[in-house]
Amino acid sequence: EAQVTQNPRYLITVTGKKLTVTCSQNMNHEYMSWYRQDPGLGLRQIYYSMNVEVTDKGDVPEGYKVSRKEKRNFPLILESPSPNQTSLYFCASSLEKGPQHFGDGTRLSIL
Amino acid sequence: AQSVTQPDIHITVSEGASLELRCNYSYGATPYLFWYVQSPGQGLQLLLKYFSGDTLVQGIKGFEAEFKRSQSSFNLRKPSVHWSDAAEYFCAVGAGGYQKVTFGTGTKLQVIP
Repeated sequence: EAQVTQNPRYLITVTGKKLTVTCSQNMNHEYMSWYRQDPGLGLRQIYYSMNVEVTDKGDVPEGYKVSRKEKRNFPLILESPSPNQTSLYFCASSLEKGPQHFGDGTRLSIL
Repeated sequence: AQSVTQPDIHITVSEGASLELRCNYSYGATPYLFWYVQSPGQGLQLLLKYFSGDTLVQGIKGFEAEFKRSQSSFNLRKPSVHWSDAAEYFCAVGAGGYQKVTFGTGTKLQVIP
């Protein structure tokens, strides 16, 4: 079954404590991307990747890092999380233009 | 930079009635355009996409959208709405080689019996 798997699904943590949200896809897709969703703002793209070792910034990259060392994985790293990064995060993958398959989301609360 | 406007935050329609959700975009060149649906049981799902060619695009679940360059619009339509269509709908525009994608703020659809 085609899947994009995010972990954890829920996380409550404190300001400044580094965290990583993992994203893995089993479809051999080249393209992967991260989004955050906030009420009234829709989804905003954080980073995207067109292939292994190829990443670029989306609209709201500040405070986030990504890496793409393997085709299937695209982790999102918050090195020093702050309360304004409390949000619902989605990872997506696709074979062509635009996100196609989404993960189930990760709800982050940063106190 | 590209942008997307979904002017309707919330829409209510009766089951069986037709539906049109509005989407206007801003982008200097030919955009890539998408519609997504987000519902509690199904997560985020791609409904349809436009890259080039025929300006009337068919998607899943009986939805279609029409690209109108002169109006910078990509409105989503369905001839007869079902209760299960109640969800939030997002329009998105893509630019460049692929992956710079900007979403609208969404339209929440309520379906009444």
